Amino acid sequence: DADVTQTPRNRITKTGKRIMLECSQTKGHDRMYWYRQDPGLGLRLIYYSFDVKDINKGEISDGYSVSRQAQAKFSLSLESAIPNQTALYFCATSDLTGSDTGELFFGEGSRLTVL
Amino acid sequence: AQSVTQPDIHITVSEGASLELRCNYSYGATPYLFWYVQSPGQGLQLLLKYFSGDTLVQGIKGFEAEFKRSQSSFNLRKPSVHWSDAAEYFCAVGAAFKAAGNKLTFGGGTRVLVKP
Repeated sequence: DADVTQTPRNRITKTGKRIMLECSQTKGHDRMYWYRQDPGLGLRLIYYSFDVKDINKGEISDGYSVSRQAQAKFSLSLESAIPNQTALYFCATSDLTGSDTGELFFGEGSRLTVL
Repeated sequence: AQSVTQPDIHITVSEGASLELRCNYSYGATPYLFWYVQSPGQGLQLLLKYFSGDTLVQGIKGFEAEFKRSQSSFNLRKPSVHWSDAAEYFCAVGAAFKAAGNKLTFGGGTRVLVKP
């Protein structure tokens, strides 16, 4: 089983619908992230969380919200989806303790299409 | 603000030939530098990373990268490419201290196609 699991892996929805992407991890890491990948733009940070009570906006947080339900769970919500939110979304984790090498561990991605 | 530029969007290379992917970064402090690979339908996997010390870094799958501070570059190389190296490669830069929270900035990616 993957250490970082994202559900759903693929989702097609319509404009205006509410969508939730879920992420769970078994790595025991404190830090969790949501990134969005668009062709030619690489990955851009949407939100990140250092622990359950610490949630921060990334560079493109408008139109998104998150919830850190537990150390192992971090959900991304689109309250009212729009077509330009069509993208591949990645959840990632990293370790606060230890050597703090900065390495991110990624899930396999959730492909979202908004019609 | 930090930024990463990968000048080549696509690269086609023959199997067995050498590969070099370019990465230029802009960062005001000591950078942490990374190369990740994304195979089709998969998440990103770390190839190698540089924090300090030897500027030539060895990674997995036979890849290496060289940090050149004077050129703000961190180019990825492989002497002999295998068909399984066909993927998209991302360079990333982050801060060299815990407070930054591992907020990596990624380049736009380079897609590598391998010809038989």
